[in-house]
Amino acid sequence: KAGVTQTPRYLIKTRGQQVTLSCSPISGHRSVSWYQQTPGQGLQFLFEYFSETQRNKGNFPGRFSGRQFSNSRSEMNVSTLELGDSALYLCASSFTRGYTDTQYFGPGTRLTVL
Amino acid sequence: AQTVTQSQPEMSVQEAETVTLSCTYDTSENNYYLFWYKQPPSRQMILVIRQEAYKQQNATENRFSVNFQKAAKSFSLKISDSQLGDTAMYFCAFMKEYQGAQKLVFGQGTRLTINP
Repeated sequence: KAGVTQTPRYLIKTRGQQVTLSCSPISGHRSVSWYQQTPGQGLQFLFEYFSETQRNKGNFPGRFSGRQFSNSRSEMNVSTLELGDSALYLCASSFTRGYTDTQYFGPGTRLTVL
Repeated sequence: AQTVTQSQPEMSVQEAETVTLSCTYDTSENNYYLFWYKQPPSRQMILVIRQEAYKQQNATENRFSVNFQKAAKSFSLKISDSQLGDTAMYFCAFMKEYQGAQKLVFGQGTRLTINP
């Protein structure tokens, strides 16, 4: 079974631009979560989607948004990029039949904001 | 809010040795899950082991085992017969158990180096 895939793997943007990252979960998985990883703040939870609904959101500004499609694929969008948004963005999927379940991660998208 | 603390920023051992990584957490929850993930230089986050808080038996996966002390809120990872491929960042993570809770809270990580 294929793992979680994320595209693109690398992105370079400039301040003020916006960016969209994509995540395809493991087949059959319905929950997708996003995390930001930086050297200073470590791994921080962004949001989680299940059946196209955002169920949980971390402490990030409204510039960070996401959505999930009917096939469970998810996208996250960051508008008006700031230098501090440079990070590795990790997506994770889980099967979750309604209860807490193990998350499996994709390879990440490394975003650099210049 | 739950917090996870890994007190060892870096560790280094020789190949074939046994190494233990420490993790403590703070929560008022009774039912929760604990995980260890490894992140090698490729940056791919890989699940190492999972422990359900309601299970008293410590989880094991081949050379990896945990020492789960619920009362002490401690969750250490033991790697036996360490191999060069075990070199990675190791993250301890917490997830509370209730419907819809898919948020992982991570520790700051321990950078483990296995030397030949």
